[in-house]
Amino acid sequence: GQQLNQSPQSMFIQEGEDVSMNCTSSSIFNTWLWYKQDPGEGPVLLIALYKAGELTSNGRLTAQFGITRKDSFLNISASIPSDVGIYFCAGQPYSGAGSYQLTFGKGTKLSVIP
Amino acid sequence: GAGVSQSPRYKVAKRGQDVALRCDPISGHVSLFWYQQALGQGPEFLTYFQNEAQLDKSGLPSDRFFAERPEGSVSTLKIQRTQQEDSAVYLCASSLVGQGGTYGYTFGSGTRLTVV
Repeated sequence: GQQLNQSPQSMFIQEGEDVSMNCTSSSIFNTWLWYKQDPGEGPVLLIALYKAGELTSNGRLTAQFGITRKDSFLNISASIPSDVGIYFCAGQPYSGAGSYQLTFGKGTKLSVIP
Repeated sequence: GAGVSQSPRYKVAKRGQDVALRCDPISGHVSLFWYQQALGQGPEFLTYFQNEAQLDKSGLPSDRFFAERPEGSVSTLKIQRTQQEDSAVYLCASSLVGQGGTYGYTFGSGTRLTVV
């Protein structure tokens, strides 16, 4: 099935550093979501974006919905050890058919070095 | 309940065996989704229910996969004659009506299926 292009695939950073990851698609989405998944658990929603150009923050996390509706990025500031995990972007297709299903990226695995 | 509950957490099946995976959504959540997550990949959509109606099953990979939600609450994903390529984590998620994408889902912890 289709998956979004998410990069980087993995990151090793020092505690306190800022992190940036992004997601691109060949098709338009009308909603972008960012999830975090810990080992053995399901994805947990971090941020939801509903409008092109929208910039939304949730604590140390900031995400933006690209103007073209085909991309989004997530920034994490001042990383801490509990930020470790896999981050997924997800988009809801613009078309009405199957509009409730999400298309996910392959994930960015974040490792934080204390 | 407080969250989406899935059982069993782990299932090992011999190739050719039938399996049934259960999902208890959050109480009051009308929409229910099943996703398949292969190792190292993001979740991929399988099927969607609104109450007991299966409105979208376009992601089911073959006719060996069958999902039901007869009373609009608990759902079961059944896989017949399991194959090795069925090995994955199966995630269930629920949400309020019509808000599955807009507000995001609440996922369960998943069932890890290993076919040997």
